[in-house]
Amino acid sequence: NFMLTQAHSVSESPGKTVTISCTRSGGSIASNYVQWYQQRPGSFPTTVIYENNQRPSGVPDRFSGSIDSSSNSASLTISGLKTEDEADYYCQSFDSSSHVFGGGTRLTVL
Amino acid sequence: QVQVVQSGAEVKKPGASVKVSCKASGYTFSGYYIHWVRQAPGQGLEWMGWINPNSGGTNYAQRFQGRVTMTRDTSINTAYMELTRLRSDDTAVYYCARDRTIGWFAPWGQGTLVTVSS
Repeated sequence: NFMLTQAHSVSESPGKTVTISCTRSGGSIASNYVQWYQQRPGSFPTTVIYENNQRPSGVPDRFSGSIDSSSNSASLTISGLKTEDEADYYCQSFDSSSHVFGGGTRLTVL
Repeated sequence: QVQVVQSGAEVKKPGASVKVSCKASGYTFSGYYIHWVRQAPGQGLEWMGWINPNSGGTNYAQRFQGRVTMTRDTSINTAYMELTRLRSDDTAVYYCARDRTIGWFAPWGQGTLVTVSS
């Protein structure tokens, strides 16, 4: 099995750019796709990035994803921050036997 | 449109069992795995396992082995998750989600709050 580790929280000002990281321990980050989910308070998660860097229809191009094999991590970058981006963000990946979520990063836009 | 809709909130006593349903519509039910994920109050997301609606095959997270059973009824496009020997720390919102592609969960159900309290 493996783990995905995220920072507990991050804050940034409106209009700025923020990057949320997700480090995999136990196996290569490149071995299986990484997804990113946004969860606003009281709601279910929705996808902002799938398959490392793909955006579902309806997700603005301010959201982008990438992976870095050298640091064995994935990143979610949100540019032109808006107050509506304030939410919890979870990375998620899998291996042959299980799916794993990161612990989540709370993004505060202030 | 593609959606999965879950059953309503439940209140159970410690030691009891709970069975949550997840009804799919808008797509071929047998063609996509269904995952179950839970979220305790103020905590993160925890994957519990999946069921293949076509074969009925399952894969459970190790920590739930022996307490969880995932089943399906293809005649009504519905998946079920039953958790037994409930404890207070099983209090959580339980979500089902369709596996859109390998490992991508979309869409998610609205969640079912299960409260375990004496």
